[in-house]
Amino acid sequence: DAKTTQPTSMDCAEGRAANLPCNHSTISGNEYVYWYRQIHSQGPQYIIHGLKNNETNEMASLIITEDRKSSTLILPHATLRDTAVYYCIVRVAEYGNKLVFGAGTILRVKS
Amino acid sequence: DAGVIQSPRHEVTEMGQEVTLRCKPISGHNSLFWYRQTMMRGLELLIYFNNNVPIDDSGMPEDRFSAKMPNASFSTLKIQPSEPRDSAVYFCASSLAREYEQYFGPGTRLTVT
Repeated sequence: DAKTTQPTSMDCAEGRAANLPCNHSTISGNEYVYWYRQIHSQGPQYIIHGLKNNETNEMASLIITEDRKSSTLILPHATLRDTAVYYCIVRVAEYGNKLVFGAGTILRVKS
Repeated sequence: DAGVIQSPRHEVTEMGQEVTLRCKPISGHNSLFWYRQTMMRGLELLIYFNNNVPIDDSGMPEDRFSAKMPNASFSTLKIQPSEPRDSAVYFCASSLAREYEQYFGPGTRLTVT
C-alpha cells in the first residue's frame, strides 16, 4: 500500500469548513483513498473513501486531484465534536484487506 | 444494530497472568481485525480473519499472543503470560465483503502491572 503524508495538526474555527490535506504521490491505479477519524477514547470511525471522482456523504466530502497524488477531506461546517485525529489511508479495495494507519492529523475545532 | 462489541472494556492484571479479550463482530460481517494502540507505536494491526480463517498474523508481537475465531460471531485475543509492555488499548473491527469499510468496537484498555 502507498504511503501517505499528512500535517501533524490543524486548527479550525467552529462553523467553518475544515480542509484536511493528504499527499499520496506513489498511489497505484487500483488503490483507493480512505479517511477514518478517531475521537478521543473511541475506536476509529469510517468517514469516506474514493478512487478517482470526488465523493460526498452525510459526514464529509473527498476531493481527489486529477493525478490522484493528493486529496483533501472537507468537513463543511466543523463542530466541536469533530475534534479528532484524522487518518488518510491508501489501499487496494479487496475483500478483507487490512488498513495501515499512520500518525494522522490532529484537528482541533475551536469556539 | 449493536455494532462491534468488546469485553471487557477495562482490564487490569499482574505481570505473568493470562489475559483474554473478547470480540463480537457485527452480524453478517465476514472479516474481523484485531488492532493495538499505544502512544509510542500508534494503531497497529495484529491479525485479521476472513470467514473465520486467519489470513495475516504478521503483526502479532510474539508467541505470547494468540487469536482465535471459532465461529462467525466470536473472536478472542489471548496474551499468556502478560507483560507490562502489553499495556495498550486493543480494538476489534469487522467488515462486510464488498463494502470494505471497517467498523471498530469501543476497545479494551489493558493495564499490566
